[in-house]
Amino acid sequence: EPEVTQTPSHQVTQMGQEVILRCVPISNHLYFYWYRQILGQKVEFLVSFYNNEISEKSEIFDDQFSVERPDGSNFTLKIRSTKLEDSAMYFCARLAGGPGETQYFGPGTRLLVL
Amino acid sequence: GEDVEQSLFLSVREGDSSVINCTYTDSSSTYLYWYKQEPGAGLQLLTYIFSNMDMKQDQRLTVLLNKKDKHLSLRIADTQTGDSAIYFCAEKGLGGATNKLIFGTGTLLAVQP
Repeated sequence: EPEVTQTPSHQVTQMGQEVILRCVPISNHLYFYWYRQILGQKVEFLVSFYNNEISEKSEIFDDQFSVERPDGSNFTLKIRSTKLEDSAMYFCARLAGGPGETQYFGPGTRLLVL
Repeated sequence: GEDVEQSLFLSVREGDSSVINCTYTDSSSTYLYWYKQEPGAGLQLLTYIFSNMDMKQDQRLTVLLNKKDKHLSLRIADTQTGDSAIYFCAEKGLGGATNKLIFGTGTLLAVQP
Protein backbone atom coordinates (compact mmCIF):
# COMPACT_ATOMS: atom_id res chain seq x y z
CA GLU A 1 0.00 0.00 0.00
CA PRO A 2 1.46 3.39 -0.87
CA GLU A 3 1.86 5.76 2.01
CA VAL A 4 1.70 9.52 2.10
CA THR A 5 4.46 12.02 1.55
CA GLN A 6 5.09 15.01 3.76
CA THR A 7 6.78 18.33 3.16
CA PRO A 8 9.03 19.78 4.33
CA SER A 9 11.13 17.03 5.86
CA HIS A 10 12.67 19.53 8.29
CA GLN A 11 11.70 23.03 9.36
CA VAL A 12 13.38 25.45 11.72
CA THR A 13 11.37 28.47 12.81
CA GLN A 14 11.43 31.27 15.32
CA MET A 15 9.05 31.26 18.25
CA GLY A 16 5.86 33.09 17.38
CA GLN A 17 6.07 32.37 13.67
CA GLU A 18 3.44 30.48 11.71
CA VAL A 19 4.29 27.15 10.12
CA ILE A 20 2.38 25.03 7.63
CA LEU A 21 3.11 21.34 7.36
CA ARG A 22 1.87 19.49 4.31
CA CYS A 23 0.70 15.95 3.71
CA VAL A 24 0.27 14.74 0.15
CA PRO A 25 -1.75 11.59 -0.36
CA ILE A 26 -0.72 9.28 -3.15
CA SER A 27 -4.29 8.71 -4.16
CA ASN A 28 -7.63 10.17 -3.28
CA HIS A 29 -8.16 9.24 0.35
CA LEU A 30 -10.75 10.73 2.62
CA TYR A 31 -9.58 9.95 6.15
CA PHE A 32 -6.42 11.58 7.55
CA TYR A 33 -4.74 12.08 10.87
CA TRP A 34 -2.01 14.21 12.39
CA TYR A 35 0.14 12.90 15.20
CA ARG A 36 3.17 14.35 16.87
CA GLN A 37 6.14 12.86 18.69
CA ILE A 38 8.16 15.03 20.99
CA LEU A 39 11.72 13.75 21.15
CA GLY A 40 11.91 10.65 23.33
CA GLN A 41 8.19 10.59 24.04
CA LYS A 42 5.09 8.77 22.85
CA VAL A 43 3.42 9.35 19.54
CA GLU A 44 0.35 11.46 20.36
CA PHE A 45 -2.85 11.90 18.42
CA LEU A 46 -3.65 15.48 17.41
CA VAL A 47 -6.59 15.46 15.04
CA SER A 48 -8.53 13.35 12.58
CA PHE A 49 -10.02 14.75 9.42
CA TYR A 50 -12.73 13.11 7.37
CA ASN A 51 -14.34 14.35 4.22
CA ASN A 52 -12.97 17.88 4.70
CA GLU A 53 -14.07 18.23 8.32
CA ILE A 54 -12.45 17.67 11.69
CA SER A 55 -13.72 14.39 13.07
CA GLU A 56 -11.99 14.46 16.44
CA LYS A 57 -9.27 16.49 18.10
CA SER A 58 -7.19 15.96 21.21
CA GLU A 59 -6.53 18.35 24.07
CA ILE A 60 -3.23 19.23 22.45
CA PHE A 61 -5.03 20.57 19.38
CA ASP A 62 -5.87 24.01 20.73
CA ASP A 63 -6.70 27.25 18.94
CA GLN A 64 -3.13 27.57 17.70
CA PHE A 65 -3.66 24.57 15.45
CA SER A 66 -5.80 24.22 12.35
CA VAL A 67 -6.15 21.72 9.54
CA GLU A 68 -7.55 22.02 6.09
CA ARG A 69 -7.50 20.52 2.66
CA PRO A 70 -7.39 23.65 0.56
CA ASP A 71 -7.16 22.18 -2.91
CA GLY A 72 -8.81 18.82 -2.35
CA SER A 73 -5.44 17.14 -2.45
CA ASN A 74 -2.86 18.44 0.02
CA PHE A 75 -3.78 18.14 3.67
CA THR A 76 -2.19 20.82 5.86
CA LEU A 77 -1.53 21.38 9.54
CA LYS A 78 -1.00 25.00 10.50
CA ILE A 79 0.46 26.21 13.77
CA ARG A 80 -0.32 29.91 14.03
CA SER A 81 2.17 31.11 16.62
CA THR A 82 4.73 28.46 17.39
CA LYS A 83 6.03 27.85 20.89
CA LEU A 84 9.23 26.13 21.95
CA GLU A 85 7.21 23.13 23.11
CA ASP A 86 5.83 22.64 19.59
CA SER A 87 9.23 21.26 18.59
CA ALA A 88 8.50 17.68 17.59
CA MET A 89 8.16 15.26 14.73
CA TYR A 90 4.77 15.64 13.07
CA PHE A 91 3.33 12.65 11.28
CA CYS A 92 0.48 12.53 8.83
CA ALA A 93 -1.35 9.24 8.42
CA ARG A 94 -4.09 7.98 6.19
CA LEU A 95 -6.65 5.30 6.88
CA ALA A 96 -6.51 2.29 4.60
CA GLY A 97 -9.69 0.52 3.76
CA GLY A 98 -10.25 -3.14 4.40
CA PRO A 99 -9.49 -5.41 7.36
CA GLY A 100 -7.42 -4.07 10.20
CA GLU A 101 -8.48 -0.46 9.68
CA THR A 102 -4.79 0.23 9.42
CA GLN A 103 -3.15 3.62 9.30
CA TYR A 104 -0.17 4.27 7.09
CA PHE A 105 2.17 6.99 8.18
CA GLY A 106 4.20 9.48 6.25
CA PRO A 107 7.91 10.00 6.94
CA GLY A 108 7.21 12.98 9.18
CA THR A 109 8.25 16.60 9.38
CA ARG A 110 10.79 17.50 12.04
CA LEU A 111 9.90 20.93 13.44
CA LEU A 112 12.36 22.85 15.56
CA VAL A 113 11.19 26.06 17.22
CA LEU A 114 13.95 28.36 18.46
CA GLY B 1 -8.58 6.79 30.01
CA GLU B 2 -6.87 4.70 27.41
CA ASP B 3 -3.25 3.90 28.13
CA VAL B 4 -0.65 1.64 26.58
CA GLU B 5 2.58 0.69 28.32
CA GLN B 6 5.75 -1.05 27.16
CA SER B 7 9.15 -1.83 28.58
CA LEU B 8 11.68 0.70 27.36
CA PHE B 9 14.59 -1.41 26.24
CA LEU B 10 15.45 -4.91 25.05
CA SER B 11 18.84 -6.23 24.02
CA VAL B 12 19.30 -9.55 22.18
CA ARG B 13 21.99 -11.32 20.23
CA GLU B 14 21.69 -11.79 16.49
CA GLY B 15 19.91 -15.06 15.71
CA ASP B 16 18.02 -15.15 19.01
CA SER B 17 14.31 -14.51 19.38
CA SER B 18 13.07 -11.16 20.66
CA VAL B 19 9.87 -10.75 22.63
CA ILE B 20 8.49 -7.26 23.07
CA ASN B 21 5.64 -6.88 25.52
CA CYS B 22 2.80 -4.39 25.80
CA THR B 23 -0.12 -3.86 28.13
CA TYR B 24 -3.18 -1.82 27.40
CA THR B 25 -6.16 -0.65 29.41
CA ASP B 26 -9.06 -0.46 26.99
CA SER B 27 -10.66 -3.87 26.85
CA SER B 28 -12.97 -2.69 24.07
CA SER B 29 -10.18 -2.22 21.57
CA THR B 30 -11.00 -4.03 18.36
CA TYR B 31 -7.55 -3.92 16.80
CA LEU B 32 -4.04 -3.79 18.17
CA TYR B 33 -1.01 -2.92 16.10
CA TRP B 34 2.76 -3.10 16.03
CA TYR B 35 4.76 -0.36 14.35
CA LYS B 36 8.51 -0.12 13.78
CA GLN B 37 10.45 3.13 13.80
CA GLU B 38 14.03 3.19 12.57
CA PRO B 39 16.27 6.12 13.55
CA GLY B 40 15.04 9.37 12.05
CA ALA B 41 12.32 7.63 10.09
CA GLY B 42 8.55 7.37 10.14
CA LEU B 43 6.33 4.67 11.54
CA GLN B 44 6.18 1.46 9.56
CA LEU B 45 3.21 -0.80 10.14
CA LEU B 46 4.45 -4.32 10.89
CA THR B 47 1.30 -6.21 11.71
CA TYR B 48 -2.02 -6.04 13.50
CA ILE B 49 -4.30 -8.43 15.30
CA PHE B 50 -8.03 -8.44 15.70
CA SER B 51 -9.21 -8.69 19.29
CA ASN B 52 -11.02 -11.99 18.79
CA MET B 53 -7.75 -13.69 17.84
CA ASP B 54 -5.17 -15.17 20.20
CA MET B 55 -2.30 -15.37 17.78
CA LYS B 56 -1.21 -14.18 14.40
CA GLN B 57 1.90 -15.24 12.55
CA ASP B 58 3.51 -13.43 9.65
CA GLN B 59 6.86 -14.83 8.55
CA ARG B 60 9.32 -14.09 11.40
CA LEU B 61 6.72 -12.17 13.41
CA THR B 62 4.32 -13.75 15.88
CA VAL B 63 1.76 -11.68 17.75
CA LEU B 64 0.16 -13.09 20.88
CA LEU B 65 -2.88 -11.51 22.48
CA ASN B 66 -4.12 -12.27 25.97
CA LYS B 67 -7.32 -10.33 26.14
CA LYS B 68 -8.07 -11.33 29.71
CA ASP B 69 -4.80 -9.83 30.94
CA LYS B 70 -4.82 -7.07 28.27
CA HIS B 71 -1.37 -8.17 27.22
CA LEU B 72 0.06 -8.09 23.72
CA SER B 73 3.43 -9.38 22.63
CA LEU B 74 5.50 -9.37 19.47
CA ARG B 75 7.98 -12.15 18.92
CA ILE B 76 10.66 -11.74 16.27
CA ALA B 77 12.31 -15.01 15.33
CA ASP B 78 15.95 -15.13 14.21
CA THR B 79 16.49 -11.47 15.07
CA GLN B 80 18.81 -9.62 12.71
CA THR B 81 20.80 -6.42 13.17
CA GLY B 82 18.40 -4.78 10.73
CA ASP B 83 15.63 -5.35 13.28
CA SER B 84 17.24 -2.80 15.60
CA ALA B 85 14.63 -0.07 15.98
CA ILE B 86 11.95 1.24 18.30
CA TYR B 87 8.81 -0.88 18.35
CA PHE B 88 5.49 0.68 19.25
CA CYS B 89 2.32 -1.12 20.10
CA ALA B 90 -0.90 0.77 19.57
CA GLU B 91 -4.57 0.22 20.14
CA LYS B 92 -7.41 1.65 18.21
CA GLY B 93 -9.06 4.13 20.53
CA LEU B 94 -12.75 4.44 21.03
CA GLY B 95 -14.82 7.53 20.63
CA GLY B 96 -16.78 7.91 17.46
CA ALA B 97 -15.54 6.72 14.12
CA THR B 98 -12.17 8.39 14.24
CA ASN B 99 -10.08 5.25 14.68
CA LYS B 100 -7.36 7.26 16.35
CA LEU B 101 -4.40 5.22 17.56
CA ILE B 102 -3.18 5.24 21.15
CA PHE B 103 0.52 4.45 21.20
CA GLY B 104 2.71 2.91 23.82
CA THR B 105 5.99 4.38 24.98
CA GLY B 106 7.99 2.31 22.51
CA THR B 107 10.59 -0.39 23.14
CA LEU B 108 14.08 0.12 21.85
CA LEU B 109 15.37 -3.19 20.48
CA ALA B 110 19.14 -3.42 20.24
CA VAL B 111 20.49 -6.41 18.34
CA GLN B 112 24.08 -7.33 19.15
CA PRO B 113 26.08 -9.03 16.36
